[in-house]
Amino acid sequence: GAVVSQHPSRVICKSGTSVKIECRSLDFQATTMFWYRQFPKKSLMLMATSNEGSKATYEQGVEKDKFLINHASLTLSTLTVTSAHPEDSSFYICSARDTGSGSGNTIYFGEGSWLTVV
Amino acid sequence: QKEVEQDPGPLSVPEGAIVSLNCTYSNSAFQYFMWYRQYSRKGPELLMYTYSSGNKEDGRFTAQVDKSSKYISLFIRDSQPSDSATYLCAMSEGYQKVTFGTGTKLQVIP
Repeated sequence: GAVVSQHPSRVICKSGTSVKIECRSLDFQATTMFWYRQFPKKSLMLMATSNEGSKATYEQGVEKDKFLINHASLTLSTLTVTSAHPEDSSFYICSARDTGSGSGNTIYFGEGSWLTVV
Repeated sequence: QKEVEQDPGPLSVPEGAIVSLNCTYSNSAFQYFMWYRQYSRKGPELLMYTYSSGNKEDGRFTAQVDKSSKYISLFIRDSQPSDSATYLCAMSEGYQKVTFGTGTKLQVIP
C-alpha cells in the first residue's frame, strides 16, 4: 500500500528554537497533505491543509506565523514550528491524499513526530 | 451537534468475539468513508475505505455504510489481542478535508 514517511519521529528542542518536520509520500504524488496535532488520549486536530504550489489553509485558531507549512513538491510538505515553547510539545501527524487512478481519494498517514520542547 | 459522532469507549471484549464499531454523521454530502486503526504513540493506519453505500470485506474486517441512516460500521471477526487499539472513523465529501470521529478504544482480552 501507499506509504507516507514522516521525519523525525522524535525530536527534543530548546525553548525559543525552531523545528522542522518533513512529510513525504513515497509512492504516489500528493497535491494535498494535511497536518494534525494530537494530545494524549485525544483525537486528531486538523491544523492546516497543505496544497502543492500554493499557500496552506489554516484552521481557525492555528497561528500561521508560528506553524509554517511549505509544500514545495508533489511528494514533500514541511511543518516548521517557530520559536517553540513547552506548550507546543505534542504529537504531530501528517497525512497525504492519494487521488491517483484506482486509489479513490484515499488518505494515508505518516507515523507521526513527537516534539518535546524543554 | 458534532458532524461525526463516535463512542469513545473503552470497549472490552474477549478474544474471538465479534466487535462492532460505529459512527453516525450529520452531513449527507459525505461520500468517502474510512476506518483507521491507531496504536498508542503511532500514526493512524488505514484499514478500510468505502465509497458511498454498501459493504466491503477484507479478511476479518467488514465495513458497512448506510447513507440513508447516516451510519457506518466496522466489524472485526475473531478478534485478537493484537486488535487492541483506537479505531477512528473518517469521512469526506470529496477532495475536501477529512472529518474524523473521536475514536473508540478497543481492548481484546486474551
